[in-house]
Amino acid sequence: AQTVTQSQPEMSVQEAETVTLSCTYDTSENNYYLFWYKQPPSRQMILVIRQEAYKQQNATENRFSVNFQKAAKSFSLKISDSQLGDTAMYFCAFMKSRAAGNKLTFGGGTRVLVKP
Amino acid sequence: NAGVTQTPKFRVLKTGQSMTLLCAQDMNHEYMYWYRQDPGMGLRLIHYSVGEGTTAKGEVPDGYNVSRLKKQNFLLGLESAAPSQTSVYFCASSYSWGLSTEAFFGQGTRLTVV
Repeated sequence: AQTVTQSQPEMSVQEAETVTLSCTYDTSENNYYLFWYKQPPSRQMILVIRQEAYKQQNATENRFSVNFQKAAKSFSLKISDSQLGDTAMYFCAFMKSRAAGNKLTFGGGTRVLVKP
Repeated sequence: NAGVTQTPKFRVLKTGQSMTLLCAQDMNHEYMYWYRQDPGMGLRLIHYSVGEGTTAKGEVPDGYNVSRLKKQNFLLGLESAAPSQTSVYFCASSYSWGLSTEAFFGQGTRLTVV
């Protein structure tokens, strides 16, 4: 079974600064997907970014980028130029490739507070 | 676009009562899921379905039953609610493999069992 660990329960950052969230995972699979989801106070789960394990290039979506280290089983999220609207819970998630059901395994989450 | 809709959004139950949570999606997704979210534990999979008429157990299935009689609907039932089932429940849906891996989530149901 896969496990996903987010070691930082809470982080705070000043507006316009950069914050990096850590995520490590444990799997024996070689092909898989990794995701970061954002959950603002509205409770809605929003996909921020995804990474295919077979791709060496790190994914980037506007101010969000990842540092994917496959050998170290590490998948950190960097939020650049933080905005007040980035205040939310962030979840790292794992999905096995070509497994029935596309089931997600989530980490425990990191609460990010962006301060003005 | 409605996406994934859950009803109800809030509910308080007494221990031993039963209830059904309804999830509906209008994206023609094959796969549907029920997760529960507890503080510090992220979301955990309760049950899932890979197609109409099929269901399977996830990580924490005990105390819950599900049904998927129609492709667009996925029901989660609690036959005899317990305080340990106090949680926020999320429904999600996605395409099957090969089209997209993104899961779309409903807005959650906050359930309190007293």
